[in-house]
Amino acid sequence: QSALTQPPSASGSPGQSVTISCTGTSSDVGGYNYVSWYQQHPGKAPKLMIYEVSKRPSGVPDRFSGSKSGNTASLTVSGLQAEDEADYYCSSYAGSNNFVFGTGTKVTVL
Amino acid sequence: EVQLVESGGGLVQPGGSLRLSCAASGFTVSSNYMSWVRQAPGKGLEWVSVIYSGGSTYYADSVKGRFTISRDNSKNTLYLQMNSLRAEDTAVYYCARDWGPYGPSLPWGQGTLVTVSS
Repeated sequence: QSALTQPPSASGSPGQSVTISCTGTSSDVGGYNYVSWYQQHPGKAPKLMIYEVSKRPSGVPDRFSGSKSGNTASLTVSGLQAEDEADYYCSSYAGSNNFVFGTGTKVTVL
Repeated sequence: EVQLVESGGGLVQPGGSLRLSCAASGFTVSSNYMSWVRQAPGKGLEWVSVIYSGGSTYYADSVKGRFTISRDNSKNTLYLQMNSLRAEDTAVYYCARDWGPYGPSLPWGQGTLVTVSS
């Protein structure tokens, strides 16, 4: 199972928006609405930010939103804040009881 | 409070074995889907294995036949037995509770580092 493709980096100024893409295939992202997004600060465990493409767990700010079109999912962070600077990973169910993560995107707040 | 605490990581020689533990509190391991995910130094996340509440187990191709996921209901603890370890298995290993058979994973433990080197 190949990793989902994400851009290595993305950036924006405080208050701006940044969108991260996550491209897979019809066997994972395109085939299921089970895409999640995780935020990871250096030396910390990943934190769930979005699940089932566009749902937010309790406690996650509504500045974080998710969507999907075909084989590509996207995470948008609006109103960027300094604490949003982190690595972000997408994840998708890939069928046959398998899961696949994205390559990761480092978000920098300028 | 729902919490996961991993232990058992360390330095092991290629070809060796190691067993990781993940002690859970605030919920019952046997009633949940539980996963192991690893992250090589400076690299991305890689799904390793999952055990379903019913006991079924599944593995990534990269570890199939070498790793075994299991749980001890009396200790409310998840395990990952790792055999025939290779240098490429070097990583921080996280355990996580899955919300269902299709994920997502929440919460995650703090991770335990496994280093495979001679």
